[in-house]
Amino acid sequence: QSALTQPASVSGFPGQSITISCTGTSSDVGAYNYVSWYQQHPGKAPKLIIYDVTNRPSEVSNRFSGSKSGDTASLTISGLQAEDEADYYCNSYTIYGTTVFGTGTKVSVL
Amino acid sequence: QITLKESGPTLVKPTQTLTLTCTFSELSLSRVGVGVGWVRQPPGKALEWLALNYWNDDKHYSPSLESRLTITKDTPKNQVVLIMTNVDPVDTATYYCAYTSGYFRFDYWGQGTLVTVSS
Repeated sequence: QSALTQPASVSGFPGQSITISCTGTSSDVGAYNYVSWYQQHPGKAPKLIIYDVTNRPSEVSNRFSGSKSGDTASLTISGLQAEDEADYYCNSYTIYGTTVFGTGTKVSVL
Repeated sequence: QITLKESGPTLVKPTQTLTLTCTFSELSLSRVGVGVGWVRQPPGKALEWLALNYWNDDKHYSPSLESRLTITKDTPKNQVVLIMTNVDPVDTATYYCAYTSGYFRFDYWGQGTLVTVSS
């Protein structure tokens, strides 16, 4: 199984909205609504910010939202803030009962 | 407070076997649907899932590494162990253990442990 495809980098100005895509196949992203997103600051462990495509853990800001269309999932960050500068990864459950992560996206706040 | 912590060697020689232990607290591997798995990240690179052990002892492995990996759990001790055989310098990475409440949604993560493979 190949890694899910994400853009290497996305940037935006404070207050803007940005969207990160996560493209898989009908065997993973397209098969189920079990896509999660993680935020990782340098030197830190990943943190779950979206699960089951659209759900957000209670402690995560509502500026983060998720969606999916076909084999592509997306993470949108609204009202971009300096603290959002980090790496972001998606992962999806697969029809084989395994999981696959995305290639990762570096978000820069200009 | 929910915590997971990885432990094991920081330096391993090529061809040796790597054994990593994940010890967790305030989490239960007895609950239906949950599991503890391992994810690694080579320096400057992306996350890569390795293995998962479910509450019912069902185990799943990354297809590309399955022949080299073994995952086991000790529920009373709140531990999950990952064994990787025949390590190579390309296995140099930070290894994380993580808890899933289902379908590989990794709710909680350990701090990670850097393992270097070098002679």
